Amino acid sequence: DIQMTQSPSTLSASIGDRVTITCRASQSISSWLAWYQQKPGKAPKLLIYKASSLESGVPSRFSGSGSGTEFTLTISSLQPDDFATYYCQQYDIYSRTFGQGTKVEI
Amino acid sequence: EVQLVESGGGLIQPGGSLRLSCAASGFTVSDNYMTWVRQPPGKGLEWVSVIYSGGNTYYADSVKGRFTISRDNSKNTLYLQMNSLRAEDTAVYYCAKGVGFLGDWGQGTLVTVSS
Repeated sequence: DIQMTQSPSTLSASIGDRVTITCRASQSISSWLAWYQQKPGKAPKLLIYKASSLESGVPSRFSGSGSGTEFTLTISSLQPDDFATYYCQQYDIYSRTFGQGTKVEI
Repeated sequence: EVQLVESGGGLIQPGGSLRLSCAASGFTVSDNYMTWVRQPPGKGLEWVSVIYSGGNTYYADSVKGRFTISRDNSKNTLYLQMNSLRAEDTAVYYCAKGVGFLGDWGQGTLVTVSS
């Protein structure tokens, strides 16, 4: 199985901060990577697919980059609604795997 | 509008069986890839299983041989049959539309395996 490692596990930030979360794959996954946002008690919400494509309706302050084994999710200016846990997910092979999550808190 | 509604969760003893349902509306289950993902309480997301539109199925190693994904085209519903349940299967189970990235999710149903 492909292992996905996110860093950091927890991130403390303030409103207006630029925030970057990193996801590393144990082998190359080309650009087959998605990012999700999850709030407590809610289902995950798709933000980014194919490493850098913004899902419809997602604010443009979210962006993704990377390919191969190194990927990043960037929030250009953190808003109150962005405090949540973020997960990366590879879909290069049929056995999908998620990263362990990054909690963005105040 | 795509809607996914899971049901069938509950408290079950170790070794027991449970069948989860995911009723879909706004699209046809049999024309799409459908996925189950679970999340243990307070922990991260774990991919469980997928069924392709053509019928091929795949499972995580942790559930292979115990769980079966299926669908009922007449009811436009996805299922997850879970047998030989273990304490570590305790989780919220989500169904989602898609095979790679997952753009539509249900609200989840909680399965608790405990004696």
